[in-house]
Amino acid sequence: TQLLEQSPQFLSIQEGENLTVYCNSSSVFSSLQWYRQEPGEGPVLLVTVVTGGEVKKLKRLTFQFGDARKDSSLHITAAQPGDTGLYLCAGPSGTYKYIFGTGTRLKVLA
Amino acid sequence: KAGVTQTPRYLIKTRGQQVTLSCSPISGHRSVSWYQQTPGQGLQFLFEYFSETQRNKGNFPGRFSGRQFSNSRSEMNVSTLELGDSALYLCASSRAGTRDEQYFGPGTRLTVT
Repeated sequence: TQLLEQSPQFLSIQEGENLTVYCNSSSVFSSLQWYRQEPGEGPVLLVTVVTGGEVKKLKRLTFQFGDARKDSSLHITAAQPGDTGLYLCAGPSGTYKYIFGTGTRLKVLA
Repeated sequence: KAGVTQTPRYLIKTRGQQVTLSCSPISGHRSVSWYQQTPGQGLQFLFEYFSETQRNKGNFPGRFSGRQFSNSRSEMNVSTLELGDSALYLCASSRAGTRDEQYFGPGTRLTVT
C-alpha cells in the first residue's frame, strides 16, 4: 500500500521565518503534487513535480522532488500570514486515483 | 471560467438517513473524483467517474455510491448514514483524469447526528 507521510504535522511560526515541509514515501511516484487548503475550502493545486531532482519555484515557495522520486519538500522563505493553511502532498496511485499525504497545518503569526 | 461547484455546502442528517451530494465540474472537464476528508483519516479517495462510468473505487463500503450524468455532473449518495460519515466531501474535476491536474470544489460539510 502506498503511503505519503508528511512532517511536521503542525507548525506555528512568526512572520518572516523560513520553513520546510516534507513528504516521504517508501514507494516511487511518477509525480507528486502540492496543495494548500484554507478553512472551509477545497485544496488548491500549487505545483506538480514530475522529474527526479526537479526544483520548482512559485514566488517564495520552492518545491523539490527527490532524485529517487520517493519524497518531496516544500520550502517557504519569509513566511507571511497569508501562507497559513493545510499543506498536502498527493501522488497518483494506480491509473485513475490519487493518494494524499497526512498534511501539515501551518500557522504564520503576524 | 467557473470553478467546480458543490451543493449543498452544509448538511445535517440523522443516523440511518441517506444523503445525495452534487458536483458540477469545470466546463470541458469529463472526469470527476470524490474524496472524503476527516481530521483522523485525512483526505481519502472514494471513486472516480469518466464519461458516466466509474473507473476506480477506493476502500469504502457499498453504502457509498455515485453516478455521473452525460453533462459530466456527478452525484454521490450515502445510504444508512453513520456518525462516522460526518466529514467534508470534496469533488475534483479534471480534463480526462489520467495524470491531469485536479481542481477541487469547496466541499460539502456533512454532519450526522
